[in-house]
Amino acid sequence: TQLLEQSPQFLSIQEGENLTVYCNSSSVFSSLQWYRQEPGEGPVLLVTVVTGGEVKKLKRLTFQFGDARKDSSLHITAAQPGDTGLYLCAGAGNAGGTSYGKLTFGQGTILTVHP
Amino acid sequence: NAGVTQTPKFQVLKTGQSMTLQCAQDMNHNSMYWYRQDPGMGLRLIYYSASEGTTDKGEVPNGYNVSRLNKREFSLRLESAAPSQTSVYFCASSELGRGNAQHFGDGTRLSIL
Repeated sequence: TQLLEQSPQFLSIQEGENLTVYCNSSSVFSSLQWYRQEPGEGPVLLVTVVTGGEVKKLKRLTFQFGDARKDSSLHITAAQPGDTGLYLCAGAGNAGGTSYGKLTFGQGTILTVHP
Repeated sequence: NAGVTQTPKFQVLKTGQSMTLQCAQDMNHNSMYWYRQDPGMGLRLIYYSASEGTTDKGEVPNGYNVSRLNKREFSLRLESAAPSQTSVYFCASSELGRGNAQHFGDGTRLSIL
């Protein structure tokens, strides 16, 4: 069974601060996805990283996939109140294995950005 | 742009009652999934259907059954509801393949008394 440990579980910061959320596993994933979820809605995909060492930027959000494809991080620069939400990482399959697109989700990070 | 539609949005059941959660997607995706979301535990896969005509157990299948009615629809049934099944249930769909995004419905909030 593949597990993804996401940290921290809660993050409460002031507008303008930077933050990083981590997602770690002892297993190798073929890809790693980050989702954002708002209250009363389902998760929405932010990004998919596929290659070990890959870095993707989405405006103020920077996503990195570890070289060994076992870990990932999400860094937000100059956080804004609109960034408030639940952030979930999710790993897909085993490298080299058959995948039906099944995802293993981390526990989630609840981010609150205060004005 | 409906995407993934789940019904009902809210439901309260008594212990031992049965019910079916409905899910339909209009994106012509091959794969569909049912998850439950509990505080501090992320999303846990209950059952999935890689393609029409196939279903497989996920991480937490006990107490649930599923039916892939056709390519669009994937239902989740609780035969005899238990308080431990109080949760928010999400349906998702995707195309097969590494890195393909899963598209989620807005969830069904289920309380079992």
